Amino acid sequence: QVQLQESSPGLVKPSETLSLTCTVSGGSISGYYWSWIRQPAGKGLEWIGRISTSENTNYNPSLKSRVTMSVDTSKNQFSLNVNSVTAADTAVYYCARERDYGSGRGLDHWGQGTLVTVSS
Amino acid sequence: DIQMTQSPSSLSASVGDRVTITCRASQTISSYLNWYQQRPGKAPNLLIYAASTLQSGVPSRFSGSGSGTDFTLTISSLQPEDFASYFCQQGYSTPRTFGGGTEVEIK
Repeated sequence: QVQLQESSPGLVKPSETLSLTCTVSGGSISGYYWSWIRQPAGKGLEWIGRISTSENTNYNPSLKSRVTMSVDTSKNQFSLNVNSVTAADTAVYYCARERDYGSGRGLDHWGQGTLVTVSS
Repeated sequence: DIQMTQSPSSLSASVGDRVTITCRASQTISSYLNWYQQRPGKAPNLLIYAASTLQSGVPSRFSGSGSGTDFTLTISSLQPEDFASYFCQQGYSTPRTFGGGTEVEIK
C-alpha cells in the first residue's frame, strides 16, 4: 500500500523559506504527478502545485512567484519550497499523489499532513 | 482559474437520511470532477473520481452524478461515520481548484 509522509519543519520565521519533503513508500514514485495542498485552520483546501518525475511542474498562480518544487526519484521523495513566508502561509500542508484514470484525475493517496506555523 | 462553488456550506441530518451536495464549475470540466471526504484532523480521502466512479473501498451508499458544470454527491442513507466535511475538486485543468466544502453535522 502506497504511503506518503511529510517532514515536519513546524515553525518558520516570517520572510524565511518553508521547506517540506514528502517521502513515498510502498510503491514507485515514477509515472505520477505529485502534489502539494494546504489548508489553513478551519478553512478549505488550496492546491499549491504538482511535479512529475520528469520534473514537469504546474504551480498555482496565486503562489507561483514564491514556490519551487523538486523531485528525487532515487530517494522516492519530492519537495516544496515556499519563500518569503508570512502569517498567511500558516496551514496544514499535505502531499498527495495524483492518479490519471483516463476518464478522470484524482488525488488518491495523501500524507497525514503537517502543521506549519509562521511566527517570529 | 476554474471556480468551484459548493452548496450548502453546511447541513444537519440524521442517521438514515438521504443527503445531497452540489458543486458547480465556472466553466465546463467535462466529467473531471472528484469528491473527497475529510474527517476532523485527518487528510481528505478520495470518494469519487470522474464524476461518478466510486474509488475502491468506498461504500456503495455514496454516488456521484453530473457532467459539464453541474455535479452532485449523494449519500443514500447517512451513517454515523459519514459525519464529516466533503469537498469537490476539478481535475480538468491547472491550477486544480476545490469547492469551499460542505460540513455534514448530526441533527
